[in-house]
Amino acid sequence: GNSVTQMEGPVTLSEEAFLTINCTYTATGYPSLFWYVQYPGEGLQLLLKATKADDKGSNKGFEATYRKETTSFHLEKGSVQVSDSAVYFCALGDSGGGADGLTFGKGTHLIIQP
Amino acid sequence: DAGVTQSPTHLIKTRGQQVTLRCSPKSGHDTVSWYQQALGQGPQFIFQYYEEEERQRGNFPDRFSGHQFPNYSSELNVNALLLGDSALYLCASSFLTVSYEQYFGPGTRLTVT
Repeated sequence: GNSVTQMEGPVTLSEEAFLTINCTYTATGYPSLFWYVQYPGEGLQLLLKATKADDKGSNKGFEATYRKETTSFHLEKGSVQVSDSAVYFCALGDSGGGADGLTFGKGTHLIIQP
Repeated sequence: DAGVTQSPTHLIKTRGQQVTLRCSPKSGHDTVSWYQQALGQGPQFIFQYYEEEERQRGNFPDRFSGHQFPNYSSELNVNALLLGDSALYLCASSFLTVSYEQYFGPGTRLTVT
């Protein structure tokens, strides 16, 4: 079955540091890949997506590239801000036309210190 | 453009009781999925509804059931509540043709005592 593995947290960085959160996946076929962000007390917000190999998703300074050869979708940001503190989830969905329950990783808690 | 809404925001129930959670999808979306998110974990897929029928189901017991109405809104019902059912329940909506691209509501926090 499908699975997503992402780096354990919490990840603590200083403001303006470079961010990488690793995500690898196992799936049959050609899934779509997503990063969601969850701020304290809130639901999930779609941060970015990529639907095929070598696609780069980007939003709010975050980006991630769909690497089929390494089955990875690492999240990066060049200069983080305190407001980026949240829990980040990597997820995959089956874009093969079937019913699509998303498969999520366990989440990475990011803490940005001023 | 109204996003996904859920009610109630918080709910406290006693073990053995039954609960109903409600969801209204994002305007224009026709598919609704439900997820359970335990504390400190990623969301787990419960089931997905389209045209008032269950399309896919995750690894959850029959105590979890759902319904979708003609206006695409949905309910999640949980019978015979267990302490382990305490979680954040998330509803997500999408278009059927891109049902893997889902937009989430703020969730209902269920506490079972």
